[in-house]
Amino acid sequence: KAGVTQTPRYLIKTRGQQVTLSCSPISGHRSVSWYQQTPGQGLQFLFEYFSETQRNKGNFPGRFSGRQFSNSRSEMNVSTLELGDSALYLCASSLGGTGTIFFGSGTQLSVL
Amino acid sequence: AQSVTQPDIHITVSEGASLELRCNYSYGATPYLFWYVQSPGQGLQLLLKYFSGDTLVQGIKGFEAEFKRSQSSFNLRKPSVHWSDAAEYFCAVGAGAGGTSYGKLTFGQGTILTVHP
Repeated sequence: KAGVTQTPRYLIKTRGQQVTLSCSPISGHRSVSWYQQTPGQGLQFLFEYFSETQRNKGNFPGRFSGRQFSNSRSEMNVSTLELGDSALYLCASSLGGTGTIFFGSGTQLSVL
Repeated sequence: AQSVTQPDIHITVSEGASLELRCNYSYGATPYLFWYVQSPGQGLQLLLKYFSGDTLVQGIKGFEAEFKRSQSSFNLRKPSVHWSDAAEYFCAVGAGAGGTSYGKLTFGQGTILTVHP
């Protein structure tokens, strides 16, 4: 069974640009969550989608958005990139109830 | 609001020595607790989880953790550390039974483990 797949693995952007990251959850998983990891702030929850609906949201500005498709695949978008958005972005999936949450390898975003 | 504290930022042990990584949580209801491990530049690998039942849980790679409700702790242990265990370890708390934030985990700041030969 394939794990959580995130693409691309690495991304370099410049300030002001926008970026879209993709996540394919484990087959059968309906919940997809996104996390930002930085050396200073650690791991912070961005948002969670379940059956195409945002179910939970963390404390991030509106520049961070996401969506989930009918096949449970998810994308997150960051508009008007800032230097501080440089981070490892991790996607996680689960069955959606109280099941185990599995993580992908992440997308390393560098904003120059 | 839920929170997790990992008091030790960095721990160094000798190969073959025992290991205990501390984790304290704050959560109003019955929590779901996790330990994840991360190698540099990689994602998080689940070591073990506690949902309910037996308070001593076994995980992969010889790790175990004990849930102590009275101390709000979920410490990770391993009797004999291997050089390959060097990594960063994260404790996390999620919504327990009756919670609505199933997909949301709150993480501690992590503990970096260095293993000396």
